[in-house]
Amino acid sequence: GAVVSQHPSRVICKSGTSVKIECRSLDFQATTMFWYRQFPKQSLMLMATSNEGSKATYEQGVEKDKFLINHASLTLSTLTVTSAHPEDSSFYICSAERGGPQYNEQFFGPGTRLTVL
Amino acid sequence: EDKVVQSPLSLVVHEGDTVTLNCSYEVTNFRSLLWYKQEKKAPTFLFMLTSSGIEKKSGRLSSILDKKELFSILNITATQTGDSAIYLCAASSGNTGKLIFGQGTTLQVKP
Repeated sequence: GAVVSQHPSRVICKSGTSVKIECRSLDFQATTMFWYRQFPKQSLMLMATSNEGSKATYEQGVEKDKFLINHASLTLSTLTVTSAHPEDSSFYICSAERGGPQYNEQFFGPGTRLTVL
Repeated sequence: EDKVVQSPLSLVVHEGDTVTLNCSYEVTNFRSLLWYKQEKKAPTFLFMLTSSGIEKKSGRLSSILDKKELFSILNITATQTGDSAIYLCAASSGNTGKLIFGQGTTLQVKP
């Protein structure tokens, strides 16, 4: 149990295009999902907290208009990188929290590697 | 400012050695401390610690939390080459459950 999937696993796009990444909890419901990015040889940096049915909470320094997050159902959150540029190239990872905040156990998706040319 | 600090940042050992990875944290409204193993893709869950002094074990891995000293350790005994990975420590904060990650410890186990 507690499987989280991400799609696509890898994407290469031209500068200026928008890219959508999906995060799904496959066998549990997740009212809260989190989006992270990870640069090479660095740790995970939280970008935003995605709550089902409400607006996402963004961390300081993360542009909400550039990284659009939608959490339309209890099993799906999407991250759209709008007008992507080479500096947005990174490894994007989502996680889903099982059982709500009282359990506090997060399971990670396999990640999406974005390369912007 | 919330922060999690891991040490050492990197470690090279030989198969059969025992290693101890350290994690200290300063987090407001601390809830739990989590350890993850990251190889080529996303992190995989190892342990979640919420109570002080209670050791959690899974095979050759074990971990313990000291909430007074704001510290946790991850032990790996009889290391194998398959243990080579980045080990991440994260503290969860507040009611949102968001995780603050440390820099990670890169472990290399040589045959």
